[in-house]
Amino acid sequence: ETGVTQTPRHLVMGMTNKKSLKCEQHLGHNAMYWYKQSAKKPLELMFVYNFKEQTENNSVPSRFSPECPNSSHLFLHLHTLQPEDSALYLCASSQEGYGDQPQHFGDGTRLSIL
Amino acid sequence: DAKTTQPPSMDCAEGRAANLPCNHSTISGNEYVYWYRQIHSQGPQYIIHGLKNNETNEMASLIITEDRKSSTLILPHATLRDTAVYYCIVHSGGGADGLTFGKGTHLIIQP
Repeated sequence: ETGVTQTPRHLVMGMTNKKSLKCEQHLGHNAMYWYKQSAKKPLELMFVYNFKEQTENNSVPSRFSPECPNSSHLFLHLHTLQPEDSALYLCASSQEGYGDQPQHFGDGTRLSIL
Repeated sequence: DAKTTQPPSMDCAEGRAANLPCNHSTISGNEYVYWYRQIHSQGPQYIIHGLKNNETNEMASLIITEDRKSSTLILPHATLRDTAVYYCIVHSGGGADGLTFGKGTHLIIQP
């Protein structure tokens, strides 16, 4: 599925680095999401944005900082990460306010913390 | 969101129908049943969803019991490319809420 694009696909960084993950959706949706998928664990919701406003922060540490400049773009800024933050980070989007519209996911960024 | 229960793994022969069960006995009246699948190293892919009636699309069919406490996803002619983890998720629509994923069913299609 090409509606939600995430870059980069792979990222290796040290614990003192600062990097950003980018997500772009071409579906005209108004809600965007960040999820984290650690090895052998289910996907966990991190943040929700609806019409560019953050509506949910699922107790995520402050070393993860999301940004949603418009309804098509979502960023996850990373700084001073820990080894346990190594995971697949997934972005999704949906058209909310219309009942039962499904979420559409990108293929994720595989993040490794050295 | 209501909790779902799925078998951890299933096998199916290529070309046969794959029937994946899901229990959601605590589902409430405004909650939909969604199915997603995740092929290794990719993001989850939406398959189908329904509220009360059975649904069919180009990928699969969804059968929901009359009491809505369980459902079955049917892949009518499974291929090797259908090998994936399949997630059954109960979720109310209408708001920007995150999905609650469980461990899903790892479906392995055998040649």
